[in-house]
Amino acid sequence: NAGVTQTPKFQVLKTGQSMTLQCAQDMNHEYMSWYRQDPGMGLRLIHYSVGAGITDQGEVPNGYNVSRSTTEDFPLRLLSAAPSQTSVYFCASSLPGQGAEQYFGPGTRLTVT
Amino acid sequence: GENVEQHPSTLSVQEGDSAVIKCTYSDSASNYFPWYKQELGKGPQLIIDIRSNVGEKKDQRIAVTLNKTAKHFSLHITETQPEDSAVYFCAASKTGRRALTFGSGTRLQVQP
Repeated sequence: NAGVTQTPKFQVLKTGQSMTLQCAQDMNHEYMSWYRQDPGMGLRLIHYSVGAGITDQGEVPNGYNVSRSTTEDFPLRLLSAAPSQTSVYFCASSLPGQGAEQYFGPGTRLTVT
Repeated sequence: GENVEQHPSTLSVQEGDSAVIKCTYSDSASNYFPWYKQELGKGPQLIIDIRSNVGEKKDQRIAVTLNKTAKHFSLHITETQPEDSAVYFCAASKTGRRALTFGSGTRLQVQP
């Protein structure tokens, strides 16, 4: 199993550009989520999905879109990048059920200039 | 919503000493409390978790305690080793909500 994979590892964008962060998992997990990690603030939930075709907003959803067309993939789209979106982004997946271990990907470091 | 506070933000100990990291939570309905370890350049990895029907859980050198009345939980690492150096995050969630609310993290440095 590759677990949770994320691409790219690093990305630099100019303000106003758009891009998609990719996330895939091969563990057949129904639940997937996106977090951003900023210094001194822990991880904050952006969007999550409880299964294919179902997505919902987390704590900090503004400026991001998601879709879940398959169980395996959960891409995160930045519509018009802003410097405030400079962060490290982590994708996670887990089996259904509260308390199921969440497996995190290696992260994407995004810089918006 | 839930708010999780974590202290200290940095912790330096000598190899072999114990380390304690503390978290408090605000939502009395929270009932699942995992701890994650994040090494440099990697994603967080679950190291131990505890549910609200248990007061303490231990796994080798790592233990977690939970005080539901006071709404706080702690991570205890005994006989620390240099490879324990990392950032540790506490988190909380409740039934019906799989998303985790994380603390701000503690950078633990174990001096050889």
